[in-house]
Amino acid sequence: DAKTTQPTSMDCAEGRAANLPCNHSTISGNEYVYWYRQIHSQGPQYIIHGLKNNETNEMASLIITEDRKSSTLILPHATLRDTAVYYCIVRLIYGGSQGNLIFGKGTKLSVKP
Amino acid sequence: EAGVAQSPRYKIIEKRQSVAFWCNPISGHATLYWYQQILGQGPKLLIQFQNNGVVDDSQLPKDRFSAERLKGVDSTLKIQPAKLEDSAVYLCASSPDRGREKLFFGSGTQLSVL
Repeated sequence: DAKTTQPTSMDCAEGRAANLPCNHSTISGNEYVYWYRQIHSQGPQYIIHGLKNNETNEMASLIITEDRKSSTLILPHATLRDTAVYYCIVRLIYGGSQGNLIFGKGTKLSVKP
Repeated sequence: EAGVAQSPRYKIIEKRQSVAFWCNPISGHATLYWYQQILGQGPKLLIQFQNNGVVDDSQLPKDRFSAERLKGVDSTLKIQPAKLEDSAVYLCASSPDRGREKLFFGSGTQLSVL
């Protein structure tokens, strides 16, 4: 079973920041937080991952709370092409099959004009 | 660089028939995964290969599903015989290292079992 809890759906206005929350209260010290997204009719796409420090790349920013029990994915200027299902996943990076991605149902983000 | 290639894109079969899906991972990626995604759910891992050896097949229904990865490159996933509940999208993914790097997914094969 997925070890994360996410809202089922969210709306965001085009050009505004989209903030997607995720709860992972049972995360262990050697588990990373990963975010993937899945646009309709495509396979999931990696966005970002982090351990305890905040991370930023060309796609998004990841803010992890100090106790690591929750995180927020931030899309700074959402566009219509960001409409997708966003999955928050906790995962071991090392450890063979223990590092497999376990997907929940994710958050359906709808970016509206 | 070329992405993960999968074929066919769509397949419709009747129950009790057999079907096979093909995956060509990104060149040089040692690890290959097959996932099943039922409508409205997140993908579920079926099997993971490291080169041509199986790392994890604990979620693979072995009475009807089989997978192979000959020569550690391409892979095929077979269902025989298919059931109605096998209707899903079958996704292939690859990664360059067993756990360290991100996974790259193909667009999947959408299977409908009638």
